[in-house]
Amino acid sequence: DIQMTQSPSSLSASVGDRVTITCRASQSISSYLNWYQQKPGKAPKLLIYAASSLQSGVPSRFSGSGSESDFTLTITSLQPEDFATYYCQQSFSTPRTFGQGTKVEIK
Amino acid sequence: QVQLQESGPGLVKPSQTLSLTCTVSGGSFSSGDYYWTWIRQHPGKGLEWIGHIFYSGSTYYNPSLKSRVTISVDMSKNQFSLKLSSVTAADTAVYYCARDVENGGSERYNWFDPWGQGTLVIVSS
Repeated sequence: DIQMTQSPSSLSASVGDRVTITCRASQSISSYLNWYQQKPGKAPKLLIYAASSLQSGVPSRFSGSGSESDFTLTITSLQPEDFATYYCQQSFSTPRTFGQGTKVEIK
Repeated sequence: QVQLQESGPGLVKPSQTLSLTCTVSGGSFSSGDYYWTWIRQHPGKGLEWIGHIFYSGSTYYNPSLKSRVTISVDMSKNQFSLKLSSVTAADTAVYYCARDVENGGSERYNWFDPWGQGTLVIVSS
């Protein structure tokens, strides 16, 4: 199985901050990487697919980059509704695997 | 707009079989671009992919659960189902159904969208 490792596991930030979350795959996965946002009690929501493609309806302050084994999710100008847990997920092979999550909290 | 909804018992006794159904509405269930997927999330933990089924009935399961998992599809009802046998407390989780979308380009990328709202299943006597 491909292991996905996110860092940090949690972070505290203020509204308006720029936030960066990284995700590392245990092997090269090209651009087969997705990002999701999950709020408490809710299902995950797709933000970014294929490493850098913004899902329809997702605000442009979210962006993804990277390839091979190192990826980044960036939120420019953090908004109150962005406080949530973020997961990366590889679609290079089955079984599909997720990172452990990064919780973005209010400072 | 496609919507997915999980249904099934919220409480299962140890050693019994967990059974859940996902009903798909508002879109094509038999498209060759989709895999119908089950994912679970242990309380306060991360996400675990259980397996998926193609509309034709072909399946792939997570090797960690393969001996206990069966996913099936009922095209006439636009539903797919999960059975997990011999459950223990470690199977207590929120279970999500989701659509695994594959794009049609030269690079076949996949992603999960949309997801059902999730259903909590507790394994306890």
